Amino acid sequence: AQSVSQHNHHVILSEAASLELGCNYSYGGTVNLFWYVQYPGQHLQLLLKYFSGDPLVKGIKGFEAEFIKSKFSFNLRKPSVQWSDTAEYFCAVMKGAGSYQLTFGKGTKLSVIP
Amino acid sequence: DSGVTQTPKHLITATGQRVTLRCSPRSGDLSVYWYQQSLDQGLQFLIQYYNGEERAKGNILERFSAQQFPDLHSELNLSSLELGDSALYFCASSPTTANYGYTFGSGTRLTVV
Repeated sequence: AQSVSQHNHHVILSEAASLELGCNYSYGGTVNLFWYVQYPGQHLQLLLKYFSGDPLVKGIKGFEAEFIKSKFSFNLRKPSVQWSDTAEYFCAVMKGAGSYQLTFGKGTKLSVIP
Repeated sequence: DSGVTQTPKHLITATGQRVTLRCSPRSGDLSVYWYQQSLDQGLQFLIQYYNGEERAKGNILERFSAQQFPDLHSELNLSSLELGDSALYFCASSPTTANYGYTFGSGTRLTVV
């Protein structure tokens, strides 16, 4: 079965520190990859997505992610975090053509200390 | 506001009861998805409807059922509720193809006491 692993359960950073959240998936075929963010008390919002092409994708709020096919990874990065980035981040995978089901990782909670 | 509307926002009910959660998709979206978010299981896909028809089923219990109506709103029915059913239930919608990602609603927090 397809699975998504997010290695860090909780990450604590000071403002201006750099962020990298790991995500690995187990499906071997074509995949579409997503990162969602959930701010406290709010719904999940799409940060960025990868379908094909340039493996480095840029999303909203200064986030980016790199798809490394050989490593089955799609890590999320941000050069300098802000207090307002405090939230839970979810990696999700959708199999290629014909599947509309998103499989989510368990999430990584990010706390940014002012 | 994401455009996906879920009601009610909060629901407290007793074990053994039945509840109905409602979702109105974003305008123009034909697909509706239901997810359950709990502390131990994370986000689990329950079921998908596309233009009124069931399209895919995930880890949905037999006590749970859903449907999508002609106006495209969807309802998730949870019956014979157990304490373990307490969770956040999210609805999401997407256009014809979901490859662009879903738009999520704010969720219904269900507490079973």
